[in-house]
Amino acid sequence: GAVVSQHPSRVICKSGTSVKIECRSLDFQATTMFWYRQFPKQSLMLMATSNEGSKATYEQGVEKDKFLINHASLTLSTLTVTSAHPEDSSFYICSGVLGIGKQYFGPGTRLTVT
Amino acid sequence: AQSVTQPDIHITVSEGASLELRCNYSYGATPYLFWYVQSPGQGLQLLLKYFSGDTLVQGIKGFEAEFKRSQSSFNLRKPSVHWSDAAEYFCAVGDYNAGNMLTFGGGTRLMVKP
Repeated sequence: GAVVSQHPSRVICKSGTSVKIECRSLDFQATTMFWYRQFPKQSLMLMATSNEGSKATYEQGVEKDKFLINHASLTLSTLTVTSAHPEDSSFYICSGVLGIGKQYFGPGTRLTVT
Repeated sequence: AQSVTQPDIHITVSEGASLELRCNYSYGATPYLFWYVQSPGQGLQLLLKYFSGDTLVQGIKGFEAEFKRSQSSFNLRKPSVHWSDAAEYFCAVGDYNAGNMLTFGGGTRLMVKP
């Protein structure tokens, strides 16, 4: 089956620093990847749609200058949380799209900002 | 815009008992519907999906779901719950006019009593 990996799985950073999270499709090419955010005991909220070779599309209320997304290849998308603050602490999940109805999720990255 | 409602935030069942998790959706056309399971601190695993055809869909781990257009529902069922089924369950509707974007329900946390 299609596999999506995320790195790192957990990261702790200090307030004001930036953190990069990688999302890779290991055995398929994903022209579209999605980034989700999940607060404790809550559902997944779509942050942005990342298309290879073009600018990401951000959902309403998501700061594009704070959450930088780069989809440089068909197998890699990165999310950089810039100038992180404690309120950015969350579980970030990416997914890769292989086709209609075929969206595969990564295992998630838990970000803690101290 | 589509939306998904999972009316039950928490459900507790005894091991061996039957289970039904409710999901109601709002979508302007024929929906693509999904159920995912998430174990603590993990990503999402697809249990089953409905695109068209037979309204009773079989999934992995003994789960099934029934699409009822008249009730705008896609409830998840399992005849006999195992302790390992304790997890968070998410219903989602897919919008394939928007690049395969998924909208998730709020989730139902399942607890299993021995």
